[in-house]
Formats: sequence, structure tokens, C-alpha cells
Amino acid sequence: SQTIHQWPATLVQPVGSPLSLECTVEGTSNPNLYWYRQAAGRGLQLLFYSVGIGQISSEVPQNLSASRPQDRQFILSSKKLLLSDSGFYLCAWVRASTDTQYFGPGTRLTVL
Amino acid sequence: AQKVTQAQTEISVVEKEDVTLDCVYETRDTTYYLFWYKQPPSGELVFLIRRNSFDEQNEISGRYSWNFQKSTSSFNFTITASQVVDSAVYFCALSVIDTGRRALTFGSGTRLQVQP
Repeated sequence: SQTIHQWPATLVQPVGSPLSLECTVEGTSNPNLYWYRQAAGRGLQLLFYSVGIGQISSEVPQNLSASRPQDRQFILSSKKLLLSDSGFYLCAWVRASTDTQYFGPGTRLTVL
Repeated sequence: AQKVTQAQTEISVVEKEDVTLDCVYETRDTTYYLFWYKQPPSGELVFLIRRNSFDEQNEISGRYSWNFQKSTSSFNFTITASQVVDSAVYFCALSVIDTGRRALTFGSGTRLQVQP
């Protein structure tokens, strides 16, 4: 069966510090991968998606970047965090046979 | 562009009441999927149902049922005999078929509180 992992689970970082969030998927190959952000009390916003190694599409211009160094690894990064980067970050993968997205447990980021 | 609207920000019911969560969507595409996800306090999104635009048949799964009506662009979710464990934020979402993107457009969510 497929599982998706995210770490860390929670993170508190100062403004201006770098960021690296990691997402890995097990039990499937060449999945589409996605990063979403959920600001407090709001819906989910798509940040990036990837259809393969090294292929990244950005949905919203911002302070963040994404990379996919391996087939089942998706990384979200920032060189300098802003207060507005605070939120709940969710990684997801798509089961191709059903076009259904399944989400990881999320990372709660607080920028102070 | 796609849009999903969940007009109900928060709903509070007493246990055993029935409750319906509304979802209205907009898309110019003729082939698409509609989804419902549940977000319990832990934060993880849990997949509940997927419906494609060709299938307007309603679906029932235990206490959950979904009503899809293309004529009104709605995909409503009903919980029968609600329980405290149903307390969560529920999201309706849409994705367009036939694109490599397969990304979801979410509504803003409806917070359901079921009181004992």
C-alpha cells in the first residue's frame, strides 16, 4: 500500500531563516506530487506540483521554491522566511488510476 | 479557471441531527472530478468521495450521502444522524480531467461542530 510522509511535523522559525520541508511517498512510482498551504482558518492553496524528477511547476509567485531530486521525494524550501509564510503545509500525491489525491500528515510552520 | 464555493463557514448541530454541507462549483470544462475531504483536528485531509462529471448518480456510504446535480453545479454532502466524531472541517474540491496537472481547487471549507 502507498503511504506519504512529511517532516518535520511542527516547526518554529525566525523571520529571515531558511526552510526545508520534506515529503516522501512509498509504494508507488512516478507519482504526481503537490505542495499546498493552508493559512489559519482558510482553504488550501496550491503552491507547486511536479509530474516527474526535476519537473516543477509554480502556481503562485512567492518566497518559496520546490525541488524533486528523486522520484518519490518532494522538497519545499525558502532562503529567507517571511511572517506570511506561516501556515500548515500539506504534501499530496495522485493515484493515477482514480485521479484522487491523498495527503500527508502536514507540517505546521510558525514564523516569528 | 475553476472555483468552488462553500457558503457555510460553520455549522453547529446536536448529535443525531442530520446536516447538509453545500458545495457549488464553477468550471468551463466539461470533464471534471468533484471531491469531498474531511480535516479532523489533527490536520490531515482524509479523502471521502470522488465523483466524475459524467456520473450524476447519488451515492450513499453508511451515514454519508452525496447529491450531485450538474444543472445547479452543486455537489452537496449530507451526514445522517450526526455523531461527535463527525466534528471536523469539510472541504469540497474540483479537478479537471485530461490535464497532466490534476491539481485540486478547494472551497474554503465548512467547520462542522456536533455537540453531544
